[in-house]
Amino acid sequence: AQSVAQPEDQVNVAEGNPLTVKCTYSVSGNPYLFWYVQYPNRGLQFLLKYITGDNLVKGSYGFEAEFNKSQTSFHLKKPSALVSDSALYFCAVSYMEYGNKLVFGAGTILRVKS
Amino acid sequence: DSGVTQTPKHLITATGQRVTLRCSPRSGDLSVYWYQQSLDQGLQFLIQYYNGEERAKGNILERFSAQQFPDLHSELNLSSLELGDSALYFCASSVDGGDTDTQYFGPGTRLTVL
Repeated sequence: AQSVAQPEDQVNVAEGNPLTVKCTYSVSGNPYLFWYVQYPNRGLQFLLKYITGDNLVKGSYGFEAEFNKSQTSFHLKKPSALVSDSALYFCAVSYMEYGNKLVFGAGTILRVKS
Repeated sequence: DSGVTQTPKHLITATGQRVTLRCSPRSGDLSVYWYQQSLDQGLQFLIQYYNGEERAKGNILERFSAQQFPDLHSELNLSSLELGDSALYFCASSVDGGDTDTQYFGPGTRLTVL
């Protein structure tokens, strides 16, 4: 079965420093991977996705993610963190079997301190 | 704003009752998904519809049912409610329901069962 793991419950980073939120996946077949962000009392906002092609995917709000097939990872990165980036981040894999669904990781809380 | 709307935003009800959650997808999207977010289960896929037809089922209880209408809006019906059904329920939509599709999420309905 398709699954993703987010090994860190929380990541703390100082404003202006680079940030990384980790995600590893386990899939059979081609991995279609997504990152979403959830702000308090809000829905999930799409950041970026990897379907095929370039291993470095650029997304919204300056975020990017690096797909690494050998390490089965899809880490989210940003060169310079903002306090406003503080939120809950979810990695997900798309799973198609008799229809389609997203399988989400447990989420990682990102705290950016000024 | 993702373009996906959900009503109501909040719902407070008692055990044993029945409620209906409503979702309007983004303009042009044919597929609708329902997800449940709770502290103990995380984000769980419930069900997918495509152009009025059920496409995929996930961890949806028999007490729960959904449908997608000809105008493509969807409703999630929850009956015989239990305390454990208290959660945030998200609707998402995508263009054609494929595994590379981006799912756009609504703001959610927070259900509290007392």
